[in-house]
Order: sequence, then C-alpha cells, then structure tokens
Amino acid sequence: LAKTTQPISMDSYEGQEVNITCSHNNIATNDYITWYQQFPSQGPRFIIQGYKTKVTNEVASLFIPADRKSSTLSLPRVSLSDTAVYYCLVGKGGYNKLIFGAGTRLAVHP
Amino acid sequence: DAGVIQSPRHEVTEMGQEVTLRCKPISGHNSLFWYRQTMMRGLELLIYFNNNVPIDDSGMPEDRFSAKMPNASFSTLKIQPSEPRDSAVYFCASLTPGLAADTQYFGPGTRLTVL
Repeated sequence: LAKTTQPISMDSYEGQEVNITCSHNNIATNDYITWYQQFPSQGPRFIIQGYKTKVTNEVASLFIPADRKSSTLSLPRVSLSDTAVYYCLVGKGGYNKLIFGAGTRLAVHP
Repeated sequence: DAGVIQSPRHEVTEMGQEVTLRCKPISGHNSLFWYRQTMMRGLELLIYFNNNVPIDDSGMPEDRFSAKMPNASFSTLKIQPSEPRDSAVYFCASLTPGLAADTQYFGPGTRLTVL
C-alpha cells in the first residue's frame, strides 16, 4: 500500500480557497487517489476520487500531475462548516483495504 | 438508503464486562470494515470481510476482540472482557463492488467508554 504524506494542520478564513497537497511517491500504476472528510463525532465521508489530471464535483476539485506522485485537493471559498480533518488515501480498485494516515486538520476562521 | 447503521451510538460499561457492537451495512455492499479511532492512534482498521468471510484481521488488537458476519446484512464486534484502554469510537464501513476504486461508506460510529 502506497504511503501518503500530508500536512498535519492548516488554517484558513471564510471565503478563501484552500489547497491541501498530498505526496504519494510510491503510487502504483493501478492505484486511485481518494480523499475523505471527517467532521467531529462523525465517520469519514468520501468527497472525491481520481486517477489522473483533474476531477471536479460539487464539493471539491482534485488535481493530479502527470507523474501522479502527488495530488492537491482544492476547496473553493471555504466556510466555517468546512472545518474538518481531510484524509488522502491511495489504493486499488475492488476490495482492497485502505490505510488512513493522520490526515490534515483544517480550521476555517471567521 | 439509510446508509450504514451502527448500534448502540454510545456505550458505557465497566471494566471486565462484555461489549457487543452492531453494524448493518448498506444493502448490496459486499465488503464490511471495522475501524477504531482514538486521539492517540487515529483511525485503525481492525478487520474486514468480503462476502461475509473475514479476510484480514491483523488489526485486531488481541484475543479479547472478535468479529462475526453471519450474513450479508449484519456484523458484530465483540470485546470480552473489556478494558479502559478499549475506550474509543468504533466505526463500521461498507464498500460496493464494481466502482473504479475503493469507496467506503462509514456509519456514525459507536462511542465506547470503559470505566
């Protein structure tokens, strides 16, 4: 399983764009990159997944360079409710287990 | 769909007592995962099942922990006897086959306090 490295914590203010970068130098050819979000007292929630280039949904964008050794989660115009822990994971398709690291604790301030 | 259902949501027990946590995965999901989360250790995978069969239980801390999945719609995680260090939030997650990559859906968790 590819190891991931991401900042322990980040601070931002309401209305700003937040970019969280994750390093995964040992990513395998058939690994996908998945980001989860966890609010206090809740289970992690899937937010976005990608294999290469750019993926966008109603919540976030995911940028993946050609070498796939890193990825960046972009949250546009954050609000206080985006305060959470964000986990970057890499893994194969199917039934393979995921290993959650420490995640990035994002604090959004008024 | 109601999502992954866990019960109880909160459990307070005394050291030495048996604790049983329950999980109902999303209908149609063939894989089920049990996690434990603490401030010190983060989110740890304890065990996971594919088609009701335990595949990897290397994360189960010791023999006091056991998990079963008697059918596709129900799983239990049992701790006997419980100890204060077992206090944590226990999450159950399920996964649907056929997607591009792993996408797990988590339940709300059971907050266990062992006194």
